[in-house]
Amino acid sequence: NAGVTQTPKFQVLKTGQSMTLQCAQDMNHEYMSWYRQDPGMGLRLIHYSVGAGITDQGEVPNGYNVSRSTTEDFPLRLLSAAPSQTSVYFCASSYSLISYEQYFGPGTRLTVT
Amino acid sequence: LAKTTQPISMDSYEGQEVNITCSHNNIATNDYITWYQQFPSQGPRFIIQGYKTKVTNEVASLFIPADRKSSTLSLPRVSLSDTAVYYCLVQTGANNLFFGTGTRLTVIP
Repeated sequence: NAGVTQTPKFQVLKTGQSMTLQCAQDMNHEYMSWYRQDPGMGLRLIHYSVGAGITDQGEVPNGYNVSRSTTEDFPLRLLSAAPSQTSVYFCASSYSLISYEQYFGPGTRLTVT
Repeated sequence: LAKTTQPISMDSYEGQEVNITCSHNNIATNDYITWYQQFPSQGPRFIIQGYKTKVTNEVASLFIPADRKSSTLSLPRVSLSDTAVYYCLVQTGANNLFFGTGTRLTVIP
């Protein structure tokens, strides 16, 4: 099992550009989520999904879109990148919404100039 | 969204037992307490989970008093590789997790 994988590892964008951060898991987990982590801070929930076709907003959803067409994949789209979106992005998955153990990916470090 | 309070940082010498205490005064009946570990440039990693009393696994113990308003993560005989940030969370399931700033543990040779 590869667990949770994220691509790319690093990305630099110019303000206004759009891009998609990829996340995939091979554990057949129902629940997937995206967090951002800013320097010296904890993680904040952006969006989450409790299964294919079902997504919802977390604490900081503005500027981001998600979709979940398959159980395995949960891409995060930045619609029009802003410097405030410079952060490290982590994708996570767990067996279900009522699971307590989440598996995190290695992260994508995004810089918006 | 139940929040937690934990020390910002701790130092310990190699081989010592480290106890990190977390306060969660607003914990709900259905909430469980979980701890995660995060190394630089990596995602958090689940360490342990508990509801009440004591839980032990191969890497740590978790002590939870009867009122459940606090919990203590105990790491036995820490090594340099235990230097990391440790997050305490209270959660009912996978959603709405609050990761605070965590406790930065530095293990000194």
